[in-house]
Amino acid sequence: AQSVAQPEDQVNVAEGNPLTVKCTYSVSGNPYLFWYVQYPNRGLQFLLKYITGDNLVKGSYGFEAEFNKSQTSFHLKKPSALVSDSALYFCAVRDMGYQKVTFGTGTKLQVIP
Amino acid sequence: DAGVIQSPRHEVTEMGQEVTLRCKPISGHNSLFWYRQTMMRGLELLIYFNNNVPIDDSGMPEDRFSAKMPNASFSTLKIQPSEPRDSAVYFCASSLRAGIRSYNEQFFGPGTRLTVL
Repeated sequence: AQSVAQPEDQVNVAEGNPLTVKCTYSVSGNPYLFWYVQYPNRGLQFLLKYITGDNLVKGSYGFEAEFNKSQTSFHLKKPSALVSDSALYFCAVRDMGYQKVTFGTGTKLQVIP
Repeated sequence: DAGVIQSPRHEVTEMGQEVTLRCKPISGHNSLFWYRQTMMRGLELLIYFNNNVPIDDSGMPEDRFSAKMPNASFSTLKIQPSEPRDSAVYFCASSLRAGIRSYNEQFFGPGTRLTVL
């Protein structure tokens, strides 16, 4: 079985400050990990993914994520938050041996001007 | 590319009526997914297809729900009869699956907001 947890329902950060959105996962094999963003009244948009290789993955809009195998985490980060980053962020995991992707419950990011 | 296309964008219907949601995946993609999103339950996978064949429908909540994919460019999700608790946003997503170890991301449509009165 595979699962993913986003422990924070909401994260508030001041504009210009670094942001982190947390994600932990559980799989029986090697994980494929994804981050998606959802703006109001829109579908989810792909941000970045970890498949293998470098633990630091860079994605769209200046976001990056760090894969930590020992802590089974894949936290999303950005050095300097923008008000336009305010949205709902989903972490997702797929065990290499399965096809289904399991999404987290989402974390609402609020960037305060 | 136009992306994943869903219709209608909004649907308001009365309890007991049949509802059909439509999806056109991105051309060339061979996997298609139907999701439902609500405040209470978050994002739920209902069913997914590979090469037009349903692979896993364990997320379909009841027999009132059915999905078809008659060809590579079209899929429907039907609810008959509809109930107020079916009110949600329904998303279709597609991806390119290249083998069992494929790790390609999914592309989501804009969703259909369904309200059952």
